[in-house]
Amino acid sequence: GENVEQHPSTLSVQEGDSAVIKCTYSDSASNYFPWYKQELGKRPQLIIDIRSNVGEKKDQRIAVTLNKTAKHFSLHITETQPEDSAVYFCAASIRGANNLFFGTGTRLTVIP
Amino acid sequence: NAGVMQNPRHLVRRRGQEARLRCSPMKGHSHVYWYRQLPEEGLKFMVYLQKENIIDESGMPKERFSAEFPKEGPSILRIQQVVRGDSAAYFCASSPPYNQETQYFGPGTRLLVL
Repeated sequence: GENVEQHPSTLSVQEGDSAVIKCTYSDSASNYFPWYKQELGKRPQLIIDIRSNVGEKKDQRIAVTLNKTAKHFSLHITETQPEDSAVYFCAASIRGANNLFFGTGTRLTVIP
Repeated sequence: NAGVMQNPRHLVRRRGQEARLRCSPMKGHSHVYWYRQLPEEGLKFMVYLQKENIIDESGMPKERFSAEFPKEGPSILRIQQVVRGDSAAYFCASSPPYNQETQYFGPGTRLLVL
């Protein structure tokens, strides 16, 4: 099956700075890569996703990049705000199978 | 359009009892997934169902765990003879038939086994 690794496990940034979270995957058949934000005690919320036919996608302060050759994808948050503080999970889905394989999460803290 | 609903939100059981977790997908969604999350860990896939069919149960323990998604009513994740190691948050997600990969999560059921 797929194996998704995520780094770093914790990340602290000053408000206004950028944050980058990186993930790698093992199965070249994976073709869908969503990112979820989970606040303490809450549900995971889909914030952005990318498919393997695209190299980059942006939505306001959030962007995701995908390198299929190297099998890694990254989440970029610019102009961070305290409300961005949460645990972020990357995930991958293998073509033809809908279940998601999740990374172990990154706890992001934005310091005011 | 209400989101994915799960109940109960919190469930306490003693060892050996049964736990029943319910999930109602978003309106129009025909695909349901169950995931388990241990404290400070990521979500682990358990089972994927469509109405009246189990599509993939590769992540579900072979014993004590079962899932169903009947023609009418919510999807049910059933854990028989619970043990302390079953304590976790159980999340349900649903996706629409036209975009099956994009999953929206419910608020979860936090199961505590005493």
